[in-house]
Amino acid sequence: EAQVTQNPRYLITVTGKKLTVTCSQNMNHEYMSWYRQDPGLGLRQIYYSMNVEVTDKGDVPEGYKVSRKEKRNFPLILESPSPNQTSLYFCASRDRVATEAFFGQGTRLTVV
Amino acid sequence: SQQGEEDPQALSIQEGENATMNCSYKTSINNLQWYRQNSGRGLVHLILIRSNEREKHSGRLRVTLDTSKKSSSLLITASRAADTASYFCATDAKDNYGQNFVFGPGTRLSVLP
Repeated sequence: EAQVTQNPRYLITVTGKKLTVTCSQNMNHEYMSWYRQDPGLGLRQIYYSMNVEVTDKGDVPEGYKVSRKEKRNFPLILESPSPNQTSLYFCASRDRVATEAFFGQGTRLTVV
Repeated sequence: SQQGEEDPQALSIQEGENATMNCSYKTSINNLQWYRQNSGRGLVHLILIRSNEREKHSGRLRVTLDTSKKSSSLLITASRAADTASYFCATDAKDNYGQNFVFGPGTRLSVLP
């Protein structure tokens, strides 16, 4: 079954404690991206990657890092989380630009 | 750089009625897509319309695109309680090779039984 898998689904952490949210897709898609969703703001793109070892900033990259060492994986790293990063995070993949996106089930992160 | 803006922000209708949501965007696009999100879950793709298309149908969904007005509409006919969700439009800007596949803030649709 074609899918994008994020882990964990829920995470509560403390300010400053590094964390990684994993994202994996089984569709051999080249394009992957991370979004955060906040009430009233819709989805805002954090980072995207057009292929292995190719990543670039989206609209709200501050406080986040990503890597794309393999085509299927695109982890999101928060080196020093802060409460303003409390949000619902989504990973998405696309075969290429201008096609439909497939989304993971989301990771609800709370930073206290 | 928010590209898509849905309107209205919230819509409440009775089962069986039609629901219409609108999306406006700012720059030239390659295509426009509509997605549905059930509460707190991942987005699901509904339909894609390319810039050279004016109308597209998929089951009870009808999407129109007016590139001169930079707007699109999503019509859901004969709505059901299961259609209750948030609906988002997203655009791929022309000559934008991957950057900013941009979503609007969404329309929250409630279909009352």
